[in-house]
Amino acid sequence: LAKTTQPISMDSYEGQEVNITCSHNNIATNDYITWYQQFPSQGPRFIIQGYKTKVTNEVASLFIPADRKSSTLSLPRVSLSDTAVYYCLVGAHTGRRALTFGSGTRLQVQP
Amino acid sequence: GAVVSQHPSWVICKSGTSVKIECRSLDFQATTMFWYRQFPKQSLMLMATSNEGSKATYEQGVEKDKFLINHASLTLSTLTVTSAHPEDSSFYICSARGRQGANTEAFFGQGTRLTVV
Repeated sequence: LAKTTQPISMDSYEGQEVNITCSHNNIATNDYITWYQQFPSQGPRFIIQGYKTKVTNEVASLFIPADRKSSTLSLPRVSLSDTAVYYCLVGAHTGRRALTFGSGTRLQVQP
Repeated sequence: GAVVSQHPSWVICKSGTSVKIECRSLDFQATTMFWYRQFPKQSLMLMATSNEGSKATYEQGVEKDKFLINHASLTLSTLTVTSAHPEDSSFYICSARGRQGANTEAFFGQGTRLTVV
């Protein structure tokens, strides 16, 4: 399984754009990149998933360079409620494979 | 979106007793369910993978006789912590994915906070 490396923590202020980068040098050809958000005492919540280039949804954008050895989650104009732990996961696009969680990035948004 | 529901959300039990945690996929068929454990300030650690109708596959270091997993239907998996001890106190989270080739997003339950006293 591809191992991921993320910053342990990040600080930001309300209204700023936050970019969290994840390294996954050993990503396999059929691996997808998925980001999850977790609040204290809650299960992780899906944010976004991509394979290459750029993916955007209503809450975030995901940038993946051509070599796919890293990815960047971009959160536009964060608010206090975005304070959470963000996990970058890399895994096969199949239903029987478990997702392996790394240490995640603890984002603290200040007023 | 798809919903995975866990029950109970929290439970307190006496040392030596057993506790059952249920995980249900409410609007999709989950051929595979996963059980994670999370200690404070730590990441999720995979405990086991359960496939409907077959025995669960446990991760190294997880005692299969202590953490009994049953996945009897496509919408329900249960985790039973047998003879619980204080060191089993943790946050247990289940996850479900659909059939291969279908929706591959993993959905997580809200978690179960187990406290063994």
